[in-house]
Amino acid sequence: ETGVTQTPRHLVMGMTNKKSLKCEQHLGHNAMYWYKQSAKKPLELMFVYSLEERVENNSVPSRFSPECPNSSHLFLHLHTLQPEDSALYLCASSQEGRGLAGGDEQFFGPGTRLTVL
Amino acid sequence: QQPVQSPQAVILREGEDAVINCSSSKALYSVHWYRQKHGEAPVFLMILLKGGEQKGHEKISASFNEKKQQSSLYLTASQLSYSGTYFCGTEYSGAGSYQLTFGKGTKLSVIP
Repeated sequence: ETGVTQTPRHLVMGMTNKKSLKCEQHLGHNAMYWYKQSAKKPLELMFVYSLEERVENNSVPSRFSPECPNSSHLFLHLHTLQPEDSALYLCASSQEGRGLAGGDEQFFGPGTRLTVL
Repeated sequence: QQPVQSPQAVILREGEDAVINCSSSKALYSVHWYRQKHGEAPVFLMILLKGGEQKGHEKISASFNEKKQQSSLYLTASQLSYSGTYFCGTEYSGAGSYQLTFGKGTKLSVIP
């Protein structure tokens, strides 16, 4: 596998379910990101990890819980979601992640299309 | 505060040129450009840094006007493969680390 991979690619869950999204990067990067992409809305940054430490949390509801066990893997644990949480969830990584992102392009995974019923 | 992109959509014939603009009301440190095709992940095109440094794509150019807090992406001699939605992401001076704020995107359609 190369680049950034995400599983599953599609997920349908009920409001009472618990599920997890997985992201893996094979690029040797130090920073990883979760974004939410909804229809007709801009990409929204949810979480940033640098060297496995969370450095940004953009006021995301607690029903979304990230986990970064090492610099290659990132999870997003989901529980008691709402229908408005249905969206494409994108994972990305970049080389350093320290300081401003201006020096680093971000490599995106294909995303997980989440539908909450 | 998200940047404002214009136009929202544009249709081109192959070989025509296009300009996509990205404006911010705040002082910018950098502007990133990405292209996303339907059903695919966003792909990096260009980074423009305050001070004039650029990192990017061979066939696509961009400018960064620090005084106007604006960036423009220039697509010349468009090809069918240029179709997709173009997003700019902005970093603000003094905003702290890591955060890119994206615009709503410009949908570009290139037709034969």
